[in-house]
Amino acid sequence: EVQLVESGGGLVQPGRSLRLSCAASGFTFDDFAMHWVRQVPGKGLEWVSHISWNSRGIDYADSVKGRFTVSRDNAENSLYLQMNSLKPEDTALYYCAKESTVTRFGAWYLDLWGRGTLVTVSS
Amino acid sequence: DIQMTQSPSSLSASVGDRVTITCRASQSISTYVNWYQQKLGKVPKVLISPSSTLQTEVPSRFSASGSGTDFTLTISSLQLEDFATYYCQQSYSAPYTFGQGTKLEIK
Repeated sequence: EVQLVESGGGLVQPGRSLRLSCAASGFTFDDFAMHWVRQVPGKGLEWVSHISWNSRGIDYADSVKGRFTVSRDNAENSLYLQMNSLKPEDTALYYCAKESTVTRFGAWYLDLWGRGTLVTVSS
Repeated sequence: DIQMTQSPSSLSASVGDRVTITCRASQSISTYVNWYQQKLGKVPKVLISPSSTLQTEVPSRFSASGSGTDFTLTISSLQLEDFATYYCQQSYSAPYTFGQGTKLEIK
């Protein structure tokens, strides 16, 4: 079955760290770039991070730059998000999402999403 | 960074209505816009990808247009299952920002 399953969320105090994982199955993981997207319950989507298939291309939203680190292990079909110096405003449901095949014009979209893992930052 | 301004933020409509949602980019992004639908309690689903390409199994009542900075998503005849929240996203350059969302509600 083609799916993404996130884990690692939970309740954490401000200033602490958390590492999210995303296990991929049913497709050739190392053929595709991956993204993290978050959503405060009841609010909109916020793009967080992107990592290319070979980890050479990495991008972050300004809101997490310098605090979050995305990585992947293609041998383990896994994506990670290391979140440091967490703030209450990082509280959200974190989705991992697969990027589609990129067209010759460089176009792509997010074609597979996990169900998310909830991160709550509170004292 | 490219900002995506989506409007309206909410919209009440009836079954059979034609509705249009707009998204404006803060700079030109060619046709690099994706449109997603998110139903309550579900994960987002892509409807339309760059160059207004309708995804497989998405009903033909959905269409999109635009290039440069102004984009629209149109639903030609609303069905009950279309009541959801819709998001645009630019895939032109990182950070790959989303619009704020448009919640489509039943009138």
